[in-house]
Amino acid sequence: NAGVMQNPRHLVRRRGQEARLRCSPMKGHSHVYWYRQLPEEGLKFMVYLQKENIIDESGMPKERFSAEFPKEGPSILRIQQVVRGDSAAYFCASSPNDRLNTGELFFGEGSRLTVL
Amino acid sequence: EDKVVQSPLSLVVHEGDTVTLNCSYEVTNFRSLLWYKQEKKAPTFLFMLTSSGIEKKSGRLSSILDKKELFSILNITATQTGDSAVYLCAHNNNDMRFGAGTRLTVKP
Repeated sequence: NAGVMQNPRHLVRRRGQEARLRCSPMKGHSHVYWYRQLPEEGLKFMVYLQKENIIDESGMPKERFSAEFPKEGPSILRIQQVVRGDSAAYFCASSPNDRLNTGELFFGEGSRLTVL
Repeated sequence: EDKVVQSPLSLVVHEGDTVTLNCSYEVTNFRSLLWYKQEKKAPTFLFMLTSSGIEKKSGRLSSILDKKELFSILNITATQTGDSAVYLCAHNNNDMRFGAGTRLTVKP
């Protein structure tokens, strides 16, 4: 059973370009979470999605950032018109339906975005 | 807004030492508290704590929750260099907000 798969692992963009980060959850998981981590800092919650629905996007900047989790295919975190401050590691995690009872999120290895 | 605060932010010890990491929280509807370990990349799950006073244990790691004082501690006994990591605490709610983490460095 493959774990949470994120790609690309590393992405370099110039200011003003778009970044698309993909996350395929573990098989059977229908809940996806995106987190951002700056160097030497903790994980900052961005958005929580279930299939075709955004459940909580309170941690995501209102402008330039969007996320989706379509019925088919991976979850996508999209950052438009990137700025240097967007440089960070973006982690995706998935969980089964009973995550509130088990507490366990399964994390991907992260996508490291560098904005030049 | 829910808050999870961890202390210390960083800690350096020598192999064999015992460490205690702290996590305090202020949340509106408490469900459970979680501990994760993050080495180089993906965080991995350690414990989920729901009830006060019941210790969870896994090898040299143990954790306990105090719901009255709103905190949890993670203890690591006889530390090894492999314990060096960032230890993260989170409130287990829909959005799973993490604290800033404690960076533990264990020197040989």
